[in-house]
Amino acid sequence: GESVGLHLPTLSVQEGDNSIINCAYSNSASDYFIWYKQESGKGPQFIIDIRSNMDKRQGQRVTVLLNKTVKHLSLQIAATQPGDSAVYFCAEKTTDSWGKLQFGAGTQVVVTP
Amino acid sequence: NAGVMQNPRHLVRRRGQEARLRCSPMKGHSHVYWYRQLPEEGLKFMVYLQKENIIDESGMPKERFSAEFPKEGPSILRIQQVVRGDSAAYFCASSPPTVGSPLHFGNGTRLTVT
Repeated sequence: GESVGLHLPTLSVQEGDNSIINCAYSNSASDYFIWYKQESGKGPQFIIDIRSNMDKRQGQRVTVLLNKTVKHLSLQIAATQPGDSAVYFCAEKTTDSWGKLQFGAGTQVVVTP
Repeated sequence: NAGVMQNPRHLVRRRGQEARLRCSPMKGHSHVYWYRQLPEEGLKFMVYLQKENIIDESGMPKERFSAEFPKEGPSILRIQQVVRGDSAAYFCASSPPTVGSPLHFGNGTRLTVT
């Protein structure tokens, strides 16, 4: 399944399929990007980050892709599991702004059996 | 290694009362940030503090809101004379004193103003 930022806030994915969550960021000066996962009643949990000198970074079952030309960020989750059900936020900042993150509105991922 | 600790988890206040939210950063983290989240929205930056200093408060409302991070003890976000529009989840995050380090968030305080 695939979502596009604010226009498709809910992504329904079948268990075992791959998920793609997209994010359009706003500040062309941003050079550090983070994906967070937020489960109901909890705080955002760090998933993976990427700096602007890279266009791809892989973690465990997750890959982040960065396209600076069109200011687009995506998170790919391989073999989606029920535990992946959550709201996913992209966040951006400039290196010199410490922890002042700009968050997107989020995408709700629902994993169906 | 305990994460970012926030208390209380839930706080109910009547209009006009004061709300105090506490945050203890992760061990070794000297930078604290407060964010606010309205229902079904992303987090909005409020303030960034280091020990005994407010570094950036550009996201704080001009009135009724204040934050501190004393030399000893937790960081406090204080909201005076609360109104219903203050109802939200307030998250604290911390990071080490290293530029570019990711933020680690607590589980938030959910403030309800009745």
